[in-house]
Amino acid sequence: DTEVTQTPKHLVMGMTNKKSLKCEQHMGHRAMYWYKQKAKKPPELMFVYSYEKLSINESVPSRFSPECPNSSLLNLHLHALQPEDSALYLCASSQDPSKQGTFYGYTFGSGTRLTVV
Amino acid sequence: RKEVEQDPGPFNVPEGATVAFNCTYSNSASQSFFWYRQDCRKEPKLLMSVYSSGNEDGRFTAQLNRASQYISLLIRDSKLSDSATYLCAVNNPNQAGTALIFGKGTTLSVSS
Repeated sequence: DTEVTQTPKHLVMGMTNKKSLKCEQHMGHRAMYWYKQKAKKPPELMFVYSYEKLSINESVPSRFSPECPNSSLLNLHLHALQPEDSALYLCASSQDPSKQGTFYGYTFGSGTRLTVV
Repeated sequence: RKEVEQDPGPFNVPEGATVAFNCTYSNSASQSFFWYRQDCRKEPKLLMSVYSSGNEDGRFTAQLNRASQYISLLIRDSKLSDSATYLCAVNNPNQAGTALIFGKGTTLSVSS
């Protein structure tokens, strides 16, 4: 299995809603990532989990709350979002980050296209 | 200077043409370099890693110039299916682990 699976593919939510994005991989990767991508912009790093522990938070507002229940799953909990948070949210995974000499890059999921109304 | 910079293009080329993209990076301590391809409204997909000695995969050649801090991607014999946005990605050595910084991407349009 060489895939990263994200659900849902599309999500429309109101500014008072609470929703969660889910990401799953079964490649044995121990690093997982959340990126945000707006139209015609590059993916921007939000969070990095290494061995199920949060290692990087790129000063993301608290209305985004990541969770890594186990080595295969990564969630992003959303609450009280703003319309400007509408974007493509990409999950990615990579192999053991302690072996940087053999870092082969990320595998991305297909993303969740989020619209906040 | 931005961390990772690319010429956004678009590059409009006919089928069969050879086209080259460059990407500059600001942190000389970066060690990992990649080219990703992204189709419209899709996720980025890894095209190739970039190694110090340069590497080739079919019609695609990637090179790294550490002295000038840039990586390049050469596409030979362009196909219609090569039309996409090409993102370069560089690791951020100021962060532990393998966080990647992406360039804004270069758009390629191949026409018949």
